[in-house]
Amino acid sequence: GAVVSQHPSWVICKSGTSVKIECRSLDFQATTMFWYRQFPKQSLMLMATSNEGSKATYEQGVEKDKFLINHASLTLSTLTVTSAHPEDSSFYICSARSGTRGYGYTFGSGTRLTVV
Amino acid sequence: GENVEQHPSTLSVQEGDSAVIKCTYSDSASNYFPWYKQELGKRPQLIIDIRSNVGEKKDQRIAVTLNKTAKHFSLHITETQPEDSAVYFCAATDSGYSTLTFGKGTMLLVSP
Repeated sequence: GAVVSQHPSWVICKSGTSVKIECRSLDFQATTMFWYRQFPKQSLMLMATSNEGSKATYEQGVEKDKFLINHASLTLSTLTVTSAHPEDSSFYICSARSGTRGYGYTFGSGTRLTVV
Repeated sequence: GENVEQHPSTLSVQEGDSAVIKCTYSDSASNYFPWYKQELGKRPQLIIDIRSNVGEKKDQRIAVTLNKTAKHFSLHITETQPEDSAVYFCAATDSGYSTLTFGKGTMLLVSP
C-alpha cells in the first residue's frame, strides 16, 4: 500500500517552454503533497507544500509564478515549471502523507528535468 | 523552522564493518525521525524510523537511537555489505508534523 506514482520519469525541454510533472497517490487519499528539488550530490530541498483544494505554500526563495502547483483532487498534484531555463534542470520528487503506518511519507519515483 | 545537521558527508568502510551516521535537530517539538536510503537517480526509500517516545529501534542489521535531551539521533548499520552503498538521509518533522526537513546526506561506500 501507499504508492505514489510520478511521471514523467525524465523529460528534456527547450528553454522557454513549460513542463508539467504529475504526482498521483494510487491507493490512498493525499490531502497534502510535498514537492522537492534535488541537485546532484545534494539533499532534498522542499519547494512547496500542496494542499488539496487550496493554494500551495512555497518555501522562501521559490518563485510561485515559475513553479505552479495545482492540487485539484485528493489523488493528484501537478508541478508546472514555466518558462524553463537551464538552471531549472534538476531532479524533482513529490511526496505524500498516507496517514498509515505512523506518519507515512511516501515518495514518487522522481522526474529528471533537463532544459537545453 | 527545523534545522537538521548530518555527519559525516562521506563514509567509507570495509565489508563487514559497522557504519554510524549522526544527525542533530533544532526543534525540540519534533517527534518523528525517519532515515532514508537513496540510490543514484532513484527515490528515497524509508529504511527505519523512530518516534520521540522511543530511545532505540532495531531492524535486523539496522538500528536507530534517539537522545531527545541532546536532540540527536543516529543510524547504525552492522555487518555492512556492498549493496548498502548509497546516500543516506536523516530527517525530522517540524512542530506541525507536516513537512520533513532533511539532513544533507551521507554517501556510504562499502568496499568488498
